[in-house]
Amino acid sequence: NAGVTQTPKFRVLKTGQSMTLLCAQDMNHEYMYWYRQDPGMGLRLIHYSVGEGTTAKGEVPDGYNVSRLKKQNFLLGLESAAPSQTSVYFCASSYTGKETQYFGPGTRLLVL
Amino acid sequence: AQRVTQPEKLLSVFKGAPVELKCNYSYSGSPELFWYVQYSRQRLQLLLRHISRESIKGFTADLNKGETSFHLKKPFAQEEDSAMYYCALSTGTYKYIFGTGTRLKVLA
Repeated sequence: NAGVTQTPKFRVLKTGQSMTLLCAQDMNHEYMYWYRQDPGMGLRLIHYSVGEGTTAKGEVPDGYNVSRLKKQNFLLGLESAAPSQTSVYFCASSYTGKETQYFGPGTRLLVL
Repeated sequence: AQRVTQPEKLLSVFKGAPVELKCNYSYSGSPELFWYVQYSRQRLQLLLRHISRESIKGFTADLNKGETSFHLKKPFAQEEDSAMYYCALSTGTYKYIFGTGTRLKVLA
């Protein structure tokens, strides 16, 4: 039982490059979330999903896209990376929208 | 507006001293409140939630609806408690709102 996993752990991008972050969970959770963590700003919700095939915007969705083709996977895409997207990205999942969230280990992204 | 406020960015205490990390929330409905902890370079993990009313690692938190607070307390801080602590509010749908976090440093 791996819980929530994220790949990659660390990535450096140049401005304008694209990449996809993968989140996987083996707990059969319906809800999945992508957050970014920045100093002094806590966790901010980028996008979320309440089930396979569904996605919705969170607090800071601009510049990101997501997909949930399989229940266990939630992908976060950056089409054209910008230095403002330098951050630590956390994926989380939960059974419902009011239960405990389980977090992945995070992905550190540096955009030059 | 729904909001979680953690007024202290950094809290330093000496080992053995009492600790209180403050959390205030703004929400008109019935809240679900959580404390998450993040040790250095690790993932966030649940410390406790108000409905369970249990003590984890010596920490407790009581929901005070009158003061809209959910402060985290521990009577005697340990060095291993040094971490980042986040208070979070669930409004019962999809949405969690996290505070900006308080870094706790326990000094030897």
